[in-house]
Amino acid sequence: GAGVSQSPRYKVAKRGQDVALRCDPISGHVSLFWYQQALGQGPEFLTYFQNEAQLDKSGLPSDRFFAERPEGSVSTLKIQRTQQEDSAVYLCASSLAGGLAGYEQYFGPGTRLTVT
Amino acid sequence: GDSVTQMEGPVTLSEEAFLTINCTYTATGYPSLFWYVQYPGEGLQLLLKATKADDKGSNKGFEATYRKETTSFHLEKGSVQVSDSAVYFCALFVYGGSQGNLIFGKGTKLSVKP
Repeated sequence: GAGVSQSPRYKVAKRGQDVALRCDPISGHVSLFWYQQALGQGPEFLTYFQNEAQLDKSGLPSDRFFAERPEGSVSTLKIQRTQQEDSAVYLCASSLAGGLAGYEQYFGPGTRLTVT
Repeated sequence: GDSVTQMEGPVTLSEEAFLTINCTYTATGYPSLFWYVQYPGEGLQLLLKATKADDKGSNKGFEATYRKETTSFHLEKGSVQVSDSAVYFCALFVYGGSQGNLIFGKGTKLSVKP
């Protein structure tokens, strides 16, 4: 795979349902990021992994949001008890390394979540 | 805190017109600056970047110069094409501030008409 892939591309959930969004980063990329992009806005940072370690989760909007990357590759963003304000595009990005050496981030196509 | 402000769109131009999209930033550290582009139905793609003052990033005919004195990173292109229609995002990265995430502006939608 040449790029970052995300699945599903589209997800419709009823309010109160749990959802899980998957990200497959570029092979060998150490860092993985999740962003939330509301309609008409720029992406906003949610959380960051370096390998399997979640180094920053300061952007997660509530404790209903949870992310993991157990083997340092694929990551899953889980949202429990979805609410309408969770409707957004969720973007995943990966970079070769953290810090100054590898901060160029490559983005996936995103998962558009609609909560009804 | 760190932030990016870019001109609001939408911007509508005719083919071969000159493009400027303004971007200014506020940062506590010494940021690297980026322009990302999002074509319809696609993910964000890095368009160009600059890592220090007076650096000029360029790609596909687009240019932006890192101006520390005016805290700006305006995007320019001399002659736009219909295929440039997309949403453009200015972004900054400050190492060590938040473990290295990007901070984006709200985006500027560009429509180029033939």
